Amino acid sequence: GEDVEQSLFLSVREGDSSVINCTYTDSSSTYLYWYKQEPGAGLQLLTYIFSNMDMKQDQRLTVLLNKKDKHLSLRIADTQTGDSAIYFCADLDNKLIFGAGTRLAVHP
Amino acid sequence: ETGVTQSPTHLIKTRGQQVTLRCSSQSGHNTVSWYQQALGQGPQFIFQYYREEENGRGNFPPRFSGLQFPNYSSELNVNALELDDSALYLCASSSGYRNTEAFFGQGTRLTVV
Repeated sequence: GEDVEQSLFLSVREGDSSVINCTYTDSSSTYLYWYKQEPGAGLQLLTYIFSNMDMKQDQRLTVLLNKKDKHLSLRIADTQTGDSAIYFCADLDNKLIFGAGTRLAVHP
Repeated sequence: ETGVTQSPTHLIKTRGQQVTLRCSSQSGHNTVSWYQQALGQGPQFIFQYYREEENGRGNFPPRFSGLQFPNYSSELNVNALELDDSALYLCASSSGYRNTEAFFGQGTRLTVV
């Protein structure tokens, strides 16, 4: 079946850029997503990209998609302490298929 | 604030009991999906309802069942609770069965003891 994989942990200094990576297996993916989850909360839709796009920018967020390598990344510019959370990559196949999440820790 | 509300927020049940979780979808959305998120893991798809019909099911046993009402709100029922059912249960609503933009509620934390 389809699978989505992410690195589990990322630590960055406040003000630096963060890059969270994700790989997926489904070659027929149409949309790929990034969700954010803060402690004790539900999932917040951050952004998504259609599979015929290479890049999407939304304020501090940049999503890059390499369809050939089935690799998706989320870059957060000027990372702040409020960005500390778990970030989930998800692939849409009628239902969402999530990775295990990347915990982003932002330190001063 | 997504407009998707779930109740209750927390629940403690005993093994073998039954539980009903509720979800009100965002205005204008006719599709509701349910996910189970165990501690330290990503959400796993349980099932989806589109216009009151089940429209996809994940790898969960039949004791997980659901319902969608004419106002598109939804219930998740779990019978014969097991300890491993302890998790955060998330509801997502979207417009149309393809789930292109799914918005999640805050979840119900279920603890089975």
